[in-house]
Amino acid sequence: KNEVEQSPQNLTAQEGEFITINCSYSVGISALHWLQQHPGGGIVSLFMLSSGKKKHGRLIATINIQEKHSSLHITASHPRDSAVYICAVAGNQFYFGTGTSLTVIP
Amino acid sequence: DTAVSQTPKYLVTQMGNDKSIKCEQNLGHDTMYWYKQDSKKFLKIMFSYNNKELIINETVPNRFSPKSPDKAHLNLHINSLELGDSAVYFCASSQDHGSTWEKLFFGSGTQLSVL
Repeated sequence: KNEVEQSPQNLTAQEGEFITINCSYSVGISALHWLQQHPGGGIVSLFMLSSGKKKHGRLIATINIQEKHSSLHITASHPRDSAVYICAVAGNQFYFGTGTSLTVIP
Repeated sequence: DTAVSQTPKYLVTQMGNDKSIKCEQNLGHDTMYWYKQDSKKFLKIMFSYNNKELIINETVPNRFSPKSPDKAHLNLHINSLELGDSAVYFCASSQDHGSTWEKLFFGSGTQLSVL
């Protein structure tokens, strides 16, 4: 069993839809990262958060430390949001989720 | 300027060969990492160096040896390559303060194919 579980594994949405990707973890952490992997393979760190909520453009990330759960929301989704989104938690080492493959259809 | 650069982008080699992947960051970060992404897109940390000292060494075979000549560089040397080493290897860096993990910056990846 992975220390980090993401859901859903695959997600297809129509352009403009509100999207939520969930991440649950079972280890003690100091921070949680949301990563975006583009179709070409490059990885970008979207958020690093240890409590509460962060917003960047149309992306919002929340974390509930007590429940060991984080969500990544995308508002007004766009085809360029199509990518794999990976949750990673940092304690004394990094653990990664298996990723959520998002496809946004025009 | 690329913040974290790794070379080569593609590496195709025969089983049994020895190869190296280089990584450099110009962000002034203290910590650098190597990750392996397998065919199922699962990312796993391999090594972490902080100020040229090894702080994480996951259970990777001894054939993998990281080398950090200075805190801006973390190279990955692989001896006696095996078919199962085929994967994409990502270098990353972050500015860590004690136990607080900061935002990661990733290189573009090196796709290694062992034939």
